[in-house]
This record gives sequence, C-alpha cells and structure tokens, in this order.
Amino acid sequence: QKEVEQNSGPLSVPEGAIASLNCTYSDRGSQSFFWYRQYSGKSPELIMFIYSNGDKEDGRFTAQLNKASQYVSLLIRDSQPSDSATYLCAVWSPGNQFYFGTGTSLTVIP
Amino acid sequence: NAGVTQTPKFQVLKTGQSMTLQCAQDMNHNSMYWYRQDPGMGLRLIYYSASEGTTDKGEVPNGYNVSRLNKREFSLRLESAAPSQTSVYFCASRYRGPSANYGYTFGSGTRLTVV
Repeated sequence: QKEVEQNSGPLSVPEGAIASLNCTYSDRGSQSFFWYRQYSGKSPELIMFIYSNGDKEDGRFTAQLNKASQYVSLLIRDSQPSDSATYLCAVWSPGNQFYFGTGTSLTVIP
Repeated sequence: NAGVTQTPKFQVLKTGQSMTLQCAQDMNHNSMYWYRQDPGMGLRLIYYSASEGTTDKGEVPNGYNVSRLNKREFSLRLESAAPSQTSVYFCASRYRGPSANYGYTFGSGTRLTVV
C-alpha cells in the first residue's frame, strides 16, 4: 500500500467552477500535509499546508484535513485556466520523512 | 534571493558515463534532498542530508552517491549511468526545526537522458 494516494485524473472543470482534489494517507502518525502545484515542465511549488483538523483558507484555495479518516483535500474556487497543472499531495511523518502522492492532473476549460 | 539552484538543466549521457548534478541553496536551510520524478511514479527520494555532515539513503539510492559539501551545497553523482536513470531530477531544501510545518523549496530540475 502506498503511503499517499491520489486519483491521477485527469480532472476537468469549467472555468469558474470549484475543483476538488483528494488525497488519502496510510500513516496515522502523519502530522503535516502539503499541497504542491506543478506546471508541465516545471518544478513543484508549495501552495498550502495544513496540520490541524478542519479547513484552512488562502485566497481561492481551501485545504481540508480529516485525520480520523486519513483524508486531506484541496478545493480551488473560481477555477481559472492558469490553475491547470498537476497537484501533488505530500505528507510529513515522524522521522522527518515526506511522502508524495503521484499527483492529480487538473484542466480548467475556458 | 535565488532559492535552490540546480545545474545543469539538461544533460544527455551515454551508458556508462559519469556525471555530477550540482545543487546549492541560499536560504540557510539545514536539510537537503535529491528526488527523481518519472511519469506515473511521482517523486521518489534518492538521498537526503538532514544536516551538514550527514547523508542517508532514500527510497531509490542504487546507482547514486551524494556529497554534502557544506551547508549550502548537496551534489548527486551517477558513477556509471544506465538508461533506467533517465529521469527528471529535483533538488530540494527545507528548514528542519521543532515544528513539522516546513515544506520543501525545489530547484528547477535537471532533465537527464541516458542513451
């Protein structure tokens, strides 16, 4: 079983809609959760992190964490074509180890 | 502020050749990492250095060696390149403190092809 699992997609949403990206993880001891955006041919860039149960909002982005269900999600409101990218979920576990999912490809259709 | 700088950006090697990928960060981060990224496989950790003077194997270390030259620099060496090492390589750094809430900063990547 992989440490971090994401639906590879592709996920397509129309411009202005809400995009919902999901991630599950296997280690109950995981403490911090990160979302990275990676444009094609570029390096990943950090867009959100969350470590407490509940929601964390930053502009059009909302990260949601449910540790009981071992589930973290990223919502993108008012999706724009510039949001088209691959989104990587990363989980930090004790021992200073990060585990990355394989990413979900998002396409926002104008 | 340059962040994490990787060189070279592109490289083509013949099977059996050796090369060193260079990485430097100017953010005073104590931890540095080397990942490879392959289609459908995601990011896989090759080696990491939790602090200056230490290095440890990651998930896929075979065929690679690393050197943490100082706090800023962390190099990755392929001693005898194989076609299976064709990949995109990313260096990353992170501040390693008492809190876990510090994400990576990635370099721009090295696209390596071994023929």
